[in-house]
Amino acid sequence: LAKTTQPISMDSYEGQEVNITCSHNNIATNDYITWYQQFPSQGPRFIIQGYKTKVTNEVASLFIPADRKSSTLSLPRVSLSDTAVYYCLVGDHNQGGKLIFGQGTELSVKP
Amino acid sequence: DTGVSQDPRHKITKRGQNVTFRCDPISEHNRLYWYRQTLGQGPEFLTYFQNEAQLEKSRLLSDRFSAERPKGSFSTLEIQRTEQGDSAMYLCASSLGRGGEGYTFGSGTRLTVV
Repeated sequence: LAKTTQPISMDSYEGQEVNITCSHNNIATNDYITWYQQFPSQGPRFIIQGYKTKVTNEVASLFIPADRKSSTLSLPRVSLSDTAVYYCLVGDHNQGGKLIFGQGTELSVKP
Repeated sequence: DTGVSQDPRHKITKRGQNVTFRCDPISEHNRLYWYRQTLGQGPEFLTYFQNEAQLEKSRLLSDRFSAERPKGSFSTLEIQRTEQGDSAMYLCASSLGRGGEGYTFGSGTRLTVV
């Protein structure tokens, strides 16, 4: 399974756009890139998944360059409630196998 | 369906006691996963089931840990002879095993071994 590297922490202010980049240099052909969000004392929550180019949903956008060795999660106009840990995962998640979590990025949104 | 349910939410036990946790997945999900999470770390994979079959177990799952999913619906995770190092959040997740809609996690069981 591909190893991921992401910043340990980030700070932002309400209303700003936040971009969290994840490196996954040894991503395999069948691998998808999936992001999860976790609040304290809760389980992780699925945010977005993509394979290549750009994916957008009501919560976030995911940008994946052509070489797929990195990806960027973009959160538009963050609010205080977006303060959480964000995990980037890489794997063949469409086949229902295990997810491997790294340490994640702790995002702190300030007023 | 209200999502993945875990019971209890909190458990305090004395070292050496046995504990059992229960997970009720989303009803149509055939895959069920157990994870353990300690403070400041991401969730660590323990084991997963497809229906009632246990497909993979992590090396983290020592002989004191056992998981079952007897009828392919709910699952139990038992820890025998608990140790202080077992203190953690135990998370359960379920998925359809296909598609990009992600895995749904429960809120976890917080175990404290004193």
